[in-house]
Amino acid sequence: DAKTTQPTSMDCAEGRAANLPCNHSTISGNEYVYWYRQIHSQGPQYIIHGLKNNETNEMASLIITEDRKSSTLILPHATLRDTAVYYCIVRVINTGTASKLTFGTGTRLQVTL
Amino acid sequence: GAGVSQSPRYKVAKRGQDVALRCDPISGHVSLFWYQQALGQGPEFLTYFQNEAQLDKSGLPSDRFFAERPEGSVSTLKIQRTQQEDSAVYLCASSLPSGQQFFGPGTRLTVL
Repeated sequence: DAKTTQPTSMDCAEGRAANLPCNHSTISGNEYVYWYRQIHSQGPQYIIHGLKNNETNEMASLIITEDRKSSTLILPHATLRDTAVYYCIVRVINTGTASKLTFGTGTRLQVTL
Repeated sequence: GAGVSQSPRYKVAKRGQDVALRCDPISGHVSLFWYQQALGQGPEFLTYFQNEAQLDKSGLPSDRFFAERPEGSVSTLKIQRTQQEDSAVYLCASSLPSGQQFFGPGTRLTVL
């Protein structure tokens, strides 16, 4: 799986949008971009994933650049409960068999009042 | 429905003891993963099952680590002769074959 690079930490004011960048310049054509987050003392939680088109769900939006070498996770209105470590992961999806997740050290997002 | 559950949530072992960590995946999820998370680090892959078959155990750090899933549902991760460097959070995740992984809360193992 391709390696990802993320900032170590970021701050965001409550109610503002949090934009978390991720660089994956060696991504392959069949690798998806996944985002998970881990709130303190909990297991990682799936947020969103995409291949090349931008994606949106009830939690967040994912913007992938046209060359697919980087992406941004957007939390449109951050709340204190969004304080967590956010992991950007690239992963091949196989039909029929699952594939492991390769986590880096992620971005620690601190949402403040 | 119920998510992935793990037990115990916390385990303290003396160096040299054997421990067994249990994972109950989401019903119907054929894929099951174990990860190890050291303090301040991201989770690292240990092993993967599809049903009862252990398809990948490349992440197990030593032959003291053993995992099983005999009936394709509940899984147990066993660590023999625990060492201090085994202290970590052990996470279990389950999924459908090509789906997102759902994680349990983890078991925090402390080896004294």
